Amino acid sequence: QVTLKESGPGILQPSQTLSLTCTFSGFSLSTYGMGVGWIRQPSGKGLEWLANIWWDDDKYYNPSLKNRLTISKDTSNNQAFLKITNVDTADTATYYCARIEALGVMDAWGQGASVTVSS
Amino acid sequence: DIVMTQGVLPNPVPSGESASITCRSSKSLVYKDGKTYLNWFLQRPGQSPQLLTYWMSTRASGVSDRFSGSGSGTYFTLKISRVRAEDAGVYYCQQVREYPLTFGSGTKLEIK
Repeated sequence: QVTLKESGPGILQPSQTLSLTCTFSGFSLSTYGMGVGWIRQPSGKGLEWLANIWWDDDKYYNPSLKNRLTISKDTSNNQAFLKITNVDTADTATYYCARIEALGVMDAWGQGASVTVSS
Repeated sequence: DIVMTQGVLPNPVPSGESASITCRSSKSLVYKDGKTYLNWFLQRPGQSPQLLTYWMSTRASGVSDRFSGSGSGTYFTLKISRVRAEDAGVYYCQQVREYPLTFGSGTKLEIK
């Protein structure tokens, strides 16, 4: 059974760095073709893809966030991470991580971590 | 970036009827391997998105055969047969043909 769970600070102030962790089980990020993606959703709005990391450490980012994103992984501990620097209120959202299998199939999602940016 | 445009449903849809959700992409989602890189998700209220279909028409594991995806390179349809109360929520299409990955804005389905 594949499970993913996001964790984060809950609330942070503008200009700080947001650090998110995705802890997963039921698969390994060292398996050929496997990946983890991050997606966010402001309350009442749609989904926005942020970044993907692959089994071979290849990484892809949404250019709309202009170099503020860093994705990484710890294969031995079954975790993936996302950092967003210089946050502002527009980064307030629920952040999801998802397993990516077989050429772009996001087949399992975590429950989401709510993040609020407020002074 | 590839823009994904979703249609609107004439809500509410009576239980037992069919509903078709449309999605259009600004560029063909067919890759050189012949696959069409279009996914459909359902997000029920208060829940995470759930994968319904991928590669345009392949149903995800455990998904009812009442859900079927079809389309061409740039125009896609998710058909839901015999809608039930549990089908209510927001449906999203997503292209994974190229980066940055993009989603449609969502189509809300209400059941009567």
